[in-house]
Amino acid sequence: DTAVSQTPKYLVTQMGNDKSIKCEQNLGHDTMYWYKQDSKKFLKIMFSYNNKELIINETVPNRFSPKSPDKAHLNLHINSLELGDSAVYFCASSQGQRGAPQPQHFGDGTRLSIL
Amino acid sequence: QKEVEQNSGPLSVPEGAIASLNCTYSDRVSQSFFWYRQYSGKSPELIMSIYSNGDKEDGRFTAQLNKASQYVSLLIRDSQPSDSATYLCAVNRRWGNQGGKLIFGQGTELSVKP
Repeated sequence: DTAVSQTPKYLVTQMGNDKSIKCEQNLGHDTMYWYKQDSKKFLKIMFSYNNKELIINETVPNRFSPKSPDKAHLNLHINSLELGDSAVYFCASSQGQRGAPQPQHFGDGTRLSIL
Repeated sequence: QKEVEQNSGPLSVPEGAIASLNCTYSDRVSQSFFWYRQYSGKSPELIMSIYSNGDKEDGRFTAQLNKASQYVSLLIRDSQPSDSATYLCAVNRRWGNQGGKLIFGQGTELSVKP
């Protein structure tokens, strides 16, 4: 029944490792997003995909690579994890915005801690 | 200047009072505005959206938008302890025809005291 679901919910790993976070939405939306929320609670967009096409790519290190196998899924792979990557990563989705901009709905977040 | 600015608070109000949360934004072409509520350790939850100048009411919540002043606010009437959370103002910037880019403020922490 969950609208936007992310896995895992918690991720604790060593510096230098590679990890992936998965996101799925069952709302029928065609646009999905990744956001990063730092320790000061500031929420910032990283990537956005529309119908599997990358449309927003903010200034993010190329160690972060999103992949969208279909419009209901958007995964985030992170290579060579660094201490500064520790944050909460939120996936979100919305309907495309050809008309009035549509609100975005967020998943529960993945808490990434780098040791 | 930050694109979206909010007072970080904490804003403390007594139960039953009106809580007033304010937000200013810098991009004049922004067309849509959202208020999200985020409880500690939880995800942002949409509580209000507003697209036109004026007031929009939904239950105890009223959003107010003034595009000329680049100002959007959220009023919470009859505040309850369960309203204690961080309130995030978000401004949507269109990105072609395929999606929008939400720019968030840093959030205002609200504490409602019984």
